[in-house]
Amino acid sequence: QKEVEQNSGPLSVPEGAIASLNCTYSDRGSQSFFWYRQYSGKSPELIMFIYSNGDKEDGRFTAQLNKASQYVSLLIRDSQPSDSATYLCAVIGSGNTPLVFGKGTRLSVIA
Amino acid sequence: KAGVTQTPRYLIKTRGQQVTLSCSPISGHRSVSWYQQTPGQGLQFLFEYFSETQRNKGNFPGRFSGRQFSNSRSEMNVSTLELGDSALYLCASSLDGLAGFTDTQYFGPGTRLTVL
Repeated sequence: QKEVEQNSGPLSVPEGAIASLNCTYSDRGSQSFFWYRQYSGKSPELIMFIYSNGDKEDGRFTAQLNKASQYVSLLIRDSQPSDSATYLCAVIGSGNTPLVFGKGTRLSVIA
Repeated sequence: KAGVTQTPRYLIKTRGQQVTLSCSPISGHRSVSWYQQTPGQGLQFLFEYFSETQRNKGNFPGRFSGRQFSNSRSEMNVSTLELGDSALYLCASSLDGLAGFTDTQYFGPGTRLTVL
């Protein structure tokens, strides 16, 4: 059973701070890693994806991947109240396997 | 480019009934995946269709089925509804689906199904 684990939160950070969201996965052969944001009552929207070890930056968002540790994280710089949402980590494993989602981390940015 | 659309947005059914949900992917996308989202279980994969063929299936009972048409539009059907089927049903489309690990899925707004 391929698993993706996330701390459910809530993770509370003050406005302007850096929010750090973490995700671990069980399938060592996993190839692709995605972060989605889901506002309450809405569908998930893609924030970014990462395939290679290291960091990938997109605006205020940075994804970090460490395949040896089977760990992927998302950093949100200068957090805003509008960033308050549930963040879902998703992984495509080895072989022709479906996207596996973690249960999400709820982020609350306090003004 | 228009996004993924799903109809209907809300449904209320009673136990034992059946339901059909529809999904229209982004133009040019050939893969459609379906997910069930509940507060307790999170997002769970139901199945993926690519070029009218089911390519992957999750661990759901046979009451859950789907199909894809030649225009890539997809439907999923749930027969003999149970209370536990109450959930948000999401479809996601992508260019090539799970065959390409660089492929990216984009979600529709979902159908909220309530079973009474």
